[in-house]
Amino acid sequence: EPEVTQTPSHQVTQMGQEVILRCVPISNHLYFYWYRQILGQKVEFLVSFYNNEISEKSEIFDDQFSVERPDGSNFTLKIRSTKLEDSAMYFCASREKFGPLSGNTIYFGEGSWLTVV
Amino acid sequence: EDQVTQSPEALRLQEGESSSLNCSYTVSGLRGLFWYRQDPGKGPEFLFTLYSAGEEKEKERLKATLTKKESFLHITAPKPEDSATYLCAVQRGTGNQFYFGTGTSLTVIP
Repeated sequence: EPEVTQTPSHQVTQMGQEVILRCVPISNHLYFYWYRQILGQKVEFLVSFYNNEISEKSEIFDDQFSVERPDGSNFTLKIRSTKLEDSAMYFCASREKFGPLSGNTIYFGEGSWLTVV
Repeated sequence: EDQVTQSPEALRLQEGESSSLNCSYTVSGLRGLFWYRQDPGKGPEFLFTLYSAGEEKEKERLKATLTKKESFLHITAPKPEDSATYLCAVQRGTGNQFYFGTGTSLTVIP
């Protein structure tokens, strides 16, 4: 069964360092997302991406964050200068299409656990 | 403001003891309501999508229902392997992000 894959599964980084989290969405999907989950808290939306541009972003997704689809398969989240409060599980997700009934489900990867020290 | 509230926060059941989890929502123009299962340290695993009031979906011991204000996830004769956190998410008519609830942590005791 097709799945969203993420790397790395766990990364420890020093405060102020840049981090890139990588994702390979499901191959025929058109919409890509990053969500995060701080330990013990709810899954929070960061950004959605369609047709090579950001379609929606939350207030969490400030100038320290950026996303890119560098080629036909990868989707990346970059955090330019990490802060302690960026420590969380980051989930990539993808969706096939934006239809009224079908193809609307978002499928998640297993996550990248980021620890900022 | 769009809100998703799940209850209870935690639920402990004996194996075989059926129960229901609740997800109540306030969102402008519901496009869809989604149930996910999340195991510790893992990503949310898709279970069901519900689009309109009155709709029901079933999968093994799980059944999801939807009204205009809430959704229920019914678990019939649960087994220990059903232990997980169950997440509810809603998508509103405009925009394509999902809003998640805080989840219900289910423990099924053998």
